[in-house]
Amino acid sequence: QSVLTQPPSASGTPGQRVTISCSGSSSNIGSNYVYWYQQLPGTAPKLLMYRNDQRPSGVPDRFSGSKSGTSASLAISGLRSEDEADYYCAAWDDSLSGRVFGGGTKLTVL
Amino acid sequence: QVQLQESGPGLVKPSETLSLTCTVSGGPIISYYWSWIRQPPGKGLEWIGYILYSGSTKYNPSLRGRVTISVDTSKNHFSLKLSSVTAADTAVYYCARDRDSSPYMDVWGKGTTVTVSS
Repeated sequence: QSVLTQPPSASGTPGQRVTISCSGSSSNIGSNYVYWYQQLPGTAPKLLMYRNDQRPSGVPDRFSGSKSGTSASLAISGLRSEDEADYYCAAWDDSLSGRVFGGGTKLTVL
Repeated sequence: QVQLQESGPGLVKPSETLSLTCTVSGGPIISYYWSWIRQPPGKGLEWIGYILYSGSTKYNPSLRGRVTISVDTSKNHFSLKLSSVTAADTAVYYCARDRDSSPYMDVWGKGTTVTVSS
């Protein structure tokens, strides 16, 4: 069981907007930044979003992040086939004194 | 640009120590944190621990006592040792560069598969 909770799967059709949620607690998301990673099949994870809603250079503005209370979301608009991947949220946990990941969400583009 | 490359044995026997090295090229090891993350087959990511270039470390509490991360700034590499391994430690092991102590890992290695089996 992961400390951060994500839906195991999500799907959408090309052009659609999809949202992936990440639920935590006051000791992690509630008091620290959230980070998102994209893992394309057979590759290493890639930083997609940092400090809740900041995109690294090179990440399209179709990707956006938000945080409210003890939950965070990653939104992908204008869905494309190349967005099919696993997405992970992550945060620091003050109680565990360590980093925690969500279990990952497999996004399928129908 | 900065590149990371993991290296080490792909097969480790149960009860032995897993040892991996991550070589940093194209940039300095100084001024950053450096992490190890693993991913068991078909499962999600698990943070193992990180080390600051100065040598201070933080480990996943679930692995504490078995894991040691060290850094050699003269060779621009950092290393992972995980003792008393079992089949549950079979995974792809990634090294990554961290911008700070939060999970802000902006550069990743390609990963190396380690299998624990006799």
